[in-house]
Amino acid sequence: DTGVSQNPRHKITKRGQNVTFRCDPISEHNRLYWYRQTLGQGPEFLTYFQNEAQLEKSRLLSDRFSAERPKGSFSTLEIQRTEQGDSAMYLCASSLGAGQGSNYGYTFGSGTRLTVV
Amino acid sequence: AQRVTQPEKLLSVFKGAPVELKCNYSYSGSPELFWYVQYSRQRLQLLLRHISRESIKGFTADLNKGETSFHLKKPFAQEEDSAMYYCALRKTGNQFYFGTGTSLTVIP
Repeated sequence: DTGVSQNPRHKITKRGQNVTFRCDPISEHNRLYWYRQTLGQGPEFLTYFQNEAQLEKSRLLSDRFSAERPKGSFSTLEIQRTEQGDSAMYLCASSLGAGQGSNYGYTFGSGTRLTVV
Repeated sequence: AQRVTQPEKLLSVFKGAPVELKCNYSYSGSPELFWYVQYSRQRLQLLLRHISRESIKGFTADLNKGETSFHLKKPFAQEEDSAMYYCALRKTGNQFYFGTGTSLTVIP
């Protein structure tokens, strides 16, 4: 297990196109998170899963965004009809659940940098 | 509302000098504070947690509830400490609120 893996590393897309990112968490981690980071800002929470259940969604996650974690393992984040404002680094992280050492915080992936032109 | 403030975007210190990265927070519940670090070309990683009261790479941070602060300190900065540092507050449900980060440069 090499940690949290995100693909692709970079994505350039034209405005209006759909894009999908993938995240493979650490295998024993049952919690998975998506964050977005724009230039000069810290990561902003988008959503999180416990196993396959999506438990929280930020108001930042408009109806053009959808995330899934169908088997409680990898997750995908899809953005439909991309806009230039969607350009950002999309970070995935995973952690153990409550009572399982979640106090250790997250393990982050390297992120997917999206550029919408 | 919960908020994490890091007032310094950039901080430069000389090697061997003490360093303090400031973090203030607002949160109505019982806060859990963390520091994350991102070295050049590396992923964001956990540096330390207030609940463990640990010292990692010579860094310490004390939660001051009266001043609502969680400043990160190191008595003698090293060149390898140059990085981006983020203070983060965890609300219930394991969601983190991050500050905007402080870029630390240690001058040789």
